[in-house]
Formats: sequence, structure tokens, C-alpha cells
Amino acid sequence: DTAVSQTPKYLVTQMGNDKSIKCEQNLGHDTMYWYKQDSKKFLKIMFSYNNKELIINETVPNRFSPKSPDKAHLNLHINSLELGDSAVYFCASSPWTGGIMQPQHFGDGTRLSIL
Amino acid sequence: QKEVEQNSGPLSVPEGAIASLNCTYSDRVSQSFFWYRQYSGKSPELIMSIYSNGDKEDGRFTAQLNKASQYVSLLIRDSQPSDSATYLCAVDFGNEKLTFGTGTRLTIIP
Repeated sequence: DTAVSQTPKYLVTQMGNDKSIKCEQNLGHDTMYWYKQDSKKFLKIMFSYNNKELIINETVPNRFSPKSPDKAHLNLHINSLELGDSAVYFCASSPWTGGIMQPQHFGDGTRLSIL
Repeated sequence: QKEVEQNSGPLSVPEGAIASLNCTYSDRVSQSFFWYRQYSGKSPELIMSIYSNGDKEDGRFTAQLNKASQYVSLLIRDSQPSDSATYLCAVDFGNEKLTFGTGTRLTIIP
């Protein structure tokens, strides 16, 4: 069973379009994250949610809007896609211990290519 | 600015030798430290976590943490070709997120 699953795996679309990426985890974790990994492989946090509440919003353009309907799901909607949005987007989850960060488990990633 | 630095490599190590990967970080407040392995085109997978000074061993992997000197390292003994990957160091600066280094690309030469 996949612990953190993302869909779709690949997303190819035109500039200006709107798209969504979905993420689900079955690990019972309280906290979920979205990361962007650019072409230089640098992995940078975008958002984190703890029990459906936004914890981290890391100076991401407001074209990006996360939504967490429940603690097992965290979706990412992107409006007006730009060329610079091309990257691999990873969803991750971890337990919440209220203090010390626990290991994060990553999904397989969504490779977004903007034409 | 909280930063995590790694030598980007590539680091080439003969099969069977010890691979040594290093990571330095900018803030002594840091509490949790993680090493992730990422194969090309795949997602990061956790190799080791370490929370206190000293060594932590798991199979062929040993993580070493020195908070006074602000570095954490990963040793891979008896390196195998399957260890060829990018290794990411991640640090919790107490700000409810992980900050990742840019990764070290490791190549094990048969």
C-alpha cells in the first residue's frame, strides 16, 4: 500500500492554464507538506498543514492555493501557470509531536511541465 | 537566514570503500537532523535521523552529529553501486519546517 500518494504523476499543460495536484496519506500523520524541486534539484518547502490548519506559507505566489479537506488530504491548485512553475512537486507527511520535527515521508512527485 | 550547506559533488568512491558525506548548518538552535537519499527521477527517502550529539549506526550507515561545530555527516561503509544517488541533508531549525541542503551526488565506481 502506498503511504503518500500523489496524482497525477505527470502534468503537461499550456501557460495560463489552471491545474490541481492531489495528495493523500494513509499513515495517520497530522502534518502534510508541499515541496517544489527545481531543475537544480533544490527541494524547497511551499506549504505545511497540521490537522487541516495552515502552518507554513513560504512566500509562494498567491496563484498557488493549497486546500486540506481533512488531515489525510492536501491538494494544491495552481492558477495561471507560468513557465517558471515547471518543476517536480512533492507532497510529504509526518507525525506532529508539537516540538521536535519527525521524519517526513514523501510521495512519488508530480512532474509539471509548462509549454 | 537559516542555511544548510553541502558539497554538491559529484563524489566518486570505489566500491567497497567508505563514502563520507558532510553537511554544515547555520544555527545552533537546530534540534533534528535527517539524511535522505534520492535516486534520479525518484522521491527522497529517509536514510537516517539523528537528534543528539554523537554517532548513530544503522546497518552500513552511520550518522555523526556535532552541534558545537554545527555539522552532521553520513558515512556509508562497504559502498555498493546501488548507493549511487543524491544525498540530501535536512535540518529542523525549530521553525516547524525542514530546510534542505542542495544535496551531494554520490557515484560508487565498480
